[in-house]
Amino acid sequence: NAGVTQTPKFRVLKTGQSMTLLCAQDMNHEYMYWYRQDPGMGLRLIHYSVGEGTTAKGEVPDGYNVSRLKKQNFLLGLESAAPSQTSVYFCASSSMSGAYEQYFGPGTRLTVT
Amino acid sequence: GEDVEQSLFLSVREGDSSVINCTYTDSSSTYLYWYKQEPGAGLQLLTYIFSNMDMKQDQRLTVLLNKKDKHLSLRIADTQTGDSAIYFCAESKGGGKLIFGQGTELSVKP
Repeated sequence: NAGVTQTPKFRVLKTGQSMTLLCAQDMNHEYMYWYRQDPGMGLRLIHYSVGEGTTAKGEVPDGYNVSRLKKQNFLLGLESAAPSQTSVYFCASSSMSGAYEQYFGPGTRLTVT
Repeated sequence: GEDVEQSLFLSVREGDSSVINCTYTDSSSTYLYWYKQEPGAGLQLLTYIFSNMDMKQDQRLTVLLNKKDKHLSLRIADTQTGDSAIYFCAESKGGGKLIFGQGTELSVKP
């Protein structure tokens, strides 16, 4: 099993450009999450999904959109990138019961100039 | 507030025990977690503790939970250089959502 994978691994955008980050999981998990990690701030939840076709806002949703058209995929979109969105983005997935143990992907390092 | 607090740095000698501390805010959190992040990698779940437990031991790892003080700690026995990483504590907020601390960077010196 690959677990949780993310593409791309690195990306540089100019201010105002758009892009989509793809997350895929092969563990048949119901729940999926997008976080951003900034120095000294830990991880902050951007959006999450509790099942195919559903999404919800996390702590820092502004400037991002998400879609969960298939159970195994969770897409994070930036419609008009800003320098404040320079960060490392992590996707995670978990089952919908028990301790909700989250499994993380390797991350995408995004720089917006 | 919803802050989970951790000290930022800890340095120990190889073979010593490491203790990483965390304070959380929500007394209703059902689970509390410890994650490890190595350079350039995602987070890896180390262990978690259910809120009705005081202690959980898993090989070299011991988790202590003091619900009254909302204090969580992770003890790593016989710390090795391979344990050098950033350690995050997190509290559950329902429906799988987690609130993470800022992370503690553990440096293990030979």
